Amino acid sequence: DTAVSQTPKYLVTQMGNDKSIKCEQNLGHDTMYWYKQDSKKFLKIMFSYNNKELIINETVPNRFSPKSPDKAHLNLHINSLELGDSAVYFCASSQDLGFSDTQYFGPGTRLTVL
Amino acid sequence: LAKTTQPISMDSYEGQEVNITCSHNNIATNDYITWYQQFPSQGPRFIIQGYKTKVTNEVASLFIPADRKSSTLSLPRVSLSDTAVYYCLVGDTMYSGGGADGLTFGKGTHLIIQP
Repeated sequence: DTAVSQTPKYLVTQMGNDKSIKCEQNLGHDTMYWYKQDSKKFLKIMFSYNNKELIINETVPNRFSPKSPDKAHLNLHINSLELGDSAVYFCASSQDLGFSDTQYFGPGTRLTVL
Repeated sequence: LAKTTQPISMDSYEGQEVNITCSHNNIATNDYITWYQQFPSQGPRFIIQGYKTKVTNEVASLFIPADRKSSTLSLPRVSLSDTAVYYCLVGDTMYSGGGADGLTFGKGTHLIIQP
């Protein structure tokens, strides 16, 4: 019974395309996150939603647009994909929005832009 | 928010105790210290969290000196399956605006366990 799930697991696409990654959590948590892990394994937060409200929006190009239809879902839409967008994207959730709150991560989506 | 510094990589052998130290010189009064483990092709997984002195669970121990400017994750009797990247995070219990440095995992410490 997966706590945090992401789809798809792998995504290969051409430059300039638009793509979406979906995330769902069944833990009843109020907060969800998107992280990006690049080829150098640096894992950095992109967005955070708390009760469907955008709380954290780090310096991410506006081609990236998160959407939270409800507390259990946080999707990431990316417009006009670029080569530099190639990375592994992780979704996570936690009970509250706090740096010390335990986060539960999904399996990741490996995005490759050709 | 406090930044952290960890060794890039460490090597050890099965059955040994491994200690990974994280420096966080400008840790704030309300900050907690949290460690995560990440295996290849998986998301990070929570290991342990502490505020001061010592915390122990079924997986690891966390030692925090009185000045809290560093912390040490101790893994007893490691096995090959403990080969992973270990991240140290320092941050407050609640997000109060401003930057999200406390949610930046950095590069972590790549621990390699050999037979």
